[in-house]
Amino acid sequence: RKEVEQDPGPFNVPEGATVAFNCTYSNSASQSFFWYRQDCRKEPKLLMSVYSSGNEDGRFTAQLNRASQYISLLIRDSKLSDSATYLCVVNNLSGAGSYQLTFGKGTKLSVIP
Amino acid sequence: NAGVTQTPKFQVLKTGQSMTLQCAQDMNHNSMYWYRQDPGMGLRLIYYSASEGTTDKGEVPNGYNVSRLNKREFSLRLESAAPSQTSVYFCASSEGRGTLETQYFGPGTRLLVL
Repeated sequence: RKEVEQDPGPFNVPEGATVAFNCTYSNSASQSFFWYRQDCRKEPKLLMSVYSSGNEDGRFTAQLNRASQYISLLIRDSKLSDSATYLCVVNNLSGAGSYQLTFGKGTKLSVIP
Repeated sequence: NAGVTQTPKFQVLKTGQSMTLQCAQDMNHNSMYWYRQDPGMGLRLIYYSASEGTTDKGEVPNGYNVSRLNKREFSLRLESAAPSQTSVYFCASSEGRGTLETQYFGPGTRLLVL
């Protein structure tokens, strides 16, 4: 079983739509959770951290369910500029005592005019 | 601040050739990382350096070596390149102090091994 699994996508949505991405992780001891955004042929960049109580940043809402080992990202009122690949990322404590990020394969979003 | 810089941006190698990918950060971060990204595979950790003077293997270390030259610089070396090492390589850095910290990525090096 993959450590971090995401909806394969791609998601093609019209401008103004609401879109939701889901992600599951296999390590119940995972420490922290993130969504990164990666534009085509660019490096990944942090979109937002995901907190247990859920958190919102403008049009973006992230949720975490530790019991189900499930993370979600909701984008409201989609903009053309939201077109990108969204990476679900989990932070685990390694055997060497440091933290390592494990990345999902990503879900590609295309927002259509 | 330039953030994380990587050189070269693109490289074509023949099988068996060697090369070193360079990475530098100007954010005074303690931890640095090398990842590779292949289509359909997501990013995978090759090696990391939790602090100056230490390096550890990640998920896919075979065929690579690293050097943490100083706090700013972390290089990745391919001693004898193979076609399976064709990939996009990203260097990243973070403060190295907690679980919620951000990793900052460089722009990547696109490597083709023929």
